[in-house]
Amino acid sequence: GDSVTQMEGPVTLSEEAFLTINCTYTATGYPSLFWYVQYPGEGLQLLLKATKADDKGSNKGFEATYRKETTSFHLEKGSVQVSDSAVYFCALSNDYKLSFGAGTTVTVRA
Amino acid sequence: DAGVTQSPTHLIKTRGQHVTLRCSPISGHKSVSWYQQVLGQGPQFIFQYYEKEERGRGNFPDRFSARQFPNYSSELNVNALLLGDSALYLCASSRIDRDEAFFGQGTRLTVV
Repeated sequence: GDSVTQMEGPVTLSEEAFLTINCTYTATGYPSLFWYVQYPGEGLQLLLKATKADDKGSNKGFEATYRKETTSFHLEKGSVQVSDSAVYFCALSNDYKLSFGAGTTVTVRA
Repeated sequence: DAGVTQSPTHLIKTRGQHVTLRCSPISGHKSVSWYQQVLGQGPQFIFQYYEKEERGRGNFPDRFSARQFPNYSSELNVNALLLGDSALYLCASSRIDRDEAFFGQGTRLTVV
């Protein structure tokens, strides 16, 4: 079945540091890939998506590229802010459902 | 436009009881999905409904059931609650069944 493996946390960074969260997937067919973010006490918000190989999703300074050859969708941001502190989930969509990774908690210190 | 709305936001139930959670999708969205998120884990798929028909079901026992109404709102029902059912229950809607999903704030269910 479909599965997503993402880098374990927690990750603690200083403001303006570079952030990368690794994500790899196993799926049949041609899934769409997503990064969702969850702030404390809230639901999930879509951060970015990519629907086919070599697509780059980007939003709010975050980027991820759909790499079919390595089955990866790593999330990166060049300069994090305290407001980026949250839990980040990598997910894939195949057919009718989303399959999520376990989540990576990111804390950014001022 | 209003986003996905879920009610109630918090709920405490006793083992063995029954619970009904409600979800209103974004206007114009015809697909509703339910997910269970246990603390410290990623969401797990429970059901998807599209145009009032069940399109998919995750690996959950028959105690879990759902339905979608003509106005595309949805209910998730859980019978004979167990302590392990304590979780954040998330509803997501999308325009069609394979489009990107927008999530509600969730219902935090605690079973004591």
